[in-house]
Amino acid sequence: AQKITQTQPGMFVQEKEAVTLDCTYDTSDQSYGLFWYKQPSSGEMIFLIYQGSYDEQNATEGRYSLNFQKARKSANLVISASQLGDSAMYFCAMREGSNTGKLIFGQGTTLQVKP
Amino acid sequence: EAQVTQNPRYLITVTGKKLTVTCSQNMNHEYMSWYRQDPGLGLRQIYYSMNVEVTDKGDVPEGYKVSRKEKRNFPLILESPSPNQTSLYFCASSLLGTLRSNQPQHFGDGTRLSIL
Repeated sequence: AQKITQTQPGMFVQEKEAVTLDCTYDTSDQSYGLFWYKQPSSGEMIFLIYQGSYDEQNATEGRYSLNFQKARKSANLVISASQLGDSAMYFCAMREGSNTGKLIFGQGTTLQVKP
Repeated sequence: EAQVTQNPRYLITVTGKKLTVTCSQNMNHEYMSWYRQDPGLGLRQIYYSMNVEVTDKGDVPEGYKVSRKEKRNFPLILESPSPNQTSLYFCASSLLGTLRSNQPQHFGDGTRLSIL
């Protein structure tokens, strides 16, 4: 069965430093998509970055990049130059290869940026 | 502005009193879905709909109903709410053709339900 695992319940990072949030996944599908969402304390879900299983290059979006290691089934989120506004919960999610469109979410990682 | 709108944002109610959480999107999306978020479990899919009058169960459908009579609306119905349905609920939508693409699902701002 498909599964997403985020092993870091909580992380701290100093402002302006980089931080890596871990995500491993398990699937037997050849075609799948990996997403990262940010959830600030206000509760909304904000899309950050996407990586397709057939994408050869790691995805980047501004200060966000995805370290995609397909053989290891990992899709870690790297946030560079952390800002206080990055303090939030971060979810890794996988879209199944079927047409249900379902996103399978990990447990989430709470990131706190220290000034 | 393209958005998914959920109402109410917060609700405290009692066991057994029927309630409906509305969800509406203005992006002409075929696909809509409901998730619940619980601490330590992430988000889990309750129901989804691929188009009008087409709905199907997700991973945790027990105790919930949905309907899709119009493309833009996808209400979540709790016929007889119980305390274990206390949770944060999200509605999401996307174009059907993007299910295999890099386009993300658009999420509403969430509805926090407390069932006493």
